[in-house]
Amino acid sequence: NAGVTQTPKFRILKIGQSMTLQCTQDMNHNYMYWYRQDPGMGLKLIYYSVGAGITDKGEVPNGYNVSRSTTEDFPLRLELAAPSQTSVYFCASSYQGLGNTIYFGEGSWLTVV
Amino acid sequence: AQKVTQAQTEISVVEKEDVTLDCVYETRDTTYYLFWYKQPPSGELVFLIRRNSFDEQNEISGRYSWNFQKSTSSFNFTITASQVVDSAVYFCALSEEGSGGSNYKLTFGKGTLLTVNP
Repeated sequence: NAGVTQTPKFRILKIGQSMTLQCTQDMNHNYMYWYRQDPGMGLKLIYYSVGAGITDKGEVPNGYNVSRSTTEDFPLRLELAAPSQTSVYFCASSYQGLGNTIYFGEGSWLTVV
Repeated sequence: AQKVTQAQTEISVVEKEDVTLDCVYETRDTTYYLFWYKQPPSGELVFLIRRNSFDEQNEISGRYSWNFQKSTSSFNFTITASQVVDSAVYFCALSEEGSGGSNYKLTFGKGTLLTVNP
């Protein structure tokens, strides 16, 4: 059972570099999300999507971009990486919004040096 | 103001002790959902329970139980006879109906690190 799969699991970036975190889900969920987790701070929403072709900003979108060309995939792009983007990133999905359980990927550990 | 408050940053217990993790939430909505997630040392987030605002019945699942009290805006989580494998960070989260499509996300507390010592 794949669920939500995100890659890479670990990555070190240099300041100013760009990269894409890949995320795919096989549960036919409409909603997809990207969260970041900083130590002691819980999770904060970066971007979300309610369906293919529709994306919107969450609480902390600056420095990131997303696209949703298919139901399954929701990549997160980091442009001009900064040390403040060092974090653990979680992709997640749910069938719909309110009340539906959000299922998370295993996380991607990103360090910007 | 924080919407989800987990006042206990860290808790340490000895195996077989009972432990309660507190969660206090804030919302103006009448329809909302509360969740608990577990994050073991390996890092993944594991869904434990979901509770809607209209169901105040407490729930028990094995050694886990949850106490939902709307009067005090709390959704506390108790582990009975704790085990070393229960060591993890536990997150409480809130999903509100809100307005303007804000029902799409979970608002997380900062988490409680539970350490169960043998």
